[in-house]
Amino acid sequence: DIQMTQSPASLSASLEEIVTITCQASQDIGNWLSWYQQKPGKSPQLLIYGATSLADGVPSRFSGSRSDTQYSLKISRLQVEDIGIYHCLQVYSAPLTFGSGTKLEIK
Amino acid sequence: QVQLQQSGAELVKPGSSVKISCKASGYTFTSYDMHWIKQQPGNGLEWIGWIYPGNGNTEYNQKFNGKATLTADKSSSTAYMQLSSLTSEDSAVYFCARPRASGWWYFDFWGPGTMVTVSS
Repeated sequence: DIQMTQSPASLSASLEEIVTITCQASQDIGNWLSWYQQKPGKSPQLLIYGATSLADGVPSRFSGSRSDTQYSLKISRLQVEDIGIYHCLQVYSAPLTFGSGTKLEIK
Repeated sequence: QVQLQQSGAELVKPGSSVKISCKASGYTFTSYDMHWIKQQPGNGLEWIGWIYPGNGNTEYNQKFNGKATLTADKSSSTAYMQLSSLTSEDSAVYFCARPRASGWWYFDFWGPGTMVTVSS
């Protein structure tokens, strides 16, 4: 199974700050990676697919990038509504595997 | 619009089984995979498997072989997941999710989740 190592596990940042979350894949997965935001008590919502493509309706302050087998989600200017848990998911091969999640809070 | 409506919370006894449902609307049910994902309290997400309602094909995460059984009823556009031989480790929220295209597994649509609590 492909392992997705996500960091940090938790993050506290100030409003308007730049936030970066990373996922390291245990093997080459190409661009077959997505990012999800999950607010408390809600189901996850797709933010980024294909490592870098913004999902419909997602604010442009969210962006995804890739460097070899390391994937990053960047929030350019943190807003209050961005609090929640962020998950990466590799869809290169089954079983699909998620990162362990990053809990984002406002400082 | 695409909607996935899941059945309500379940309180079940250890050793028993439970069957939860995911009723789809707003699209052609038989044309898209339906996936199931587990989330234990305070934990991350685990992919359980998928079913293609068009022909009943399934694929499971090996970890859930023998634990989860996926089925679909085309007449009611409803996907089901049965969990058997329940233990406390099965206490979790279970989501159904539909990808944006069959075989292209980016999940645009999620159900609200069904909480299963295993307790005597």
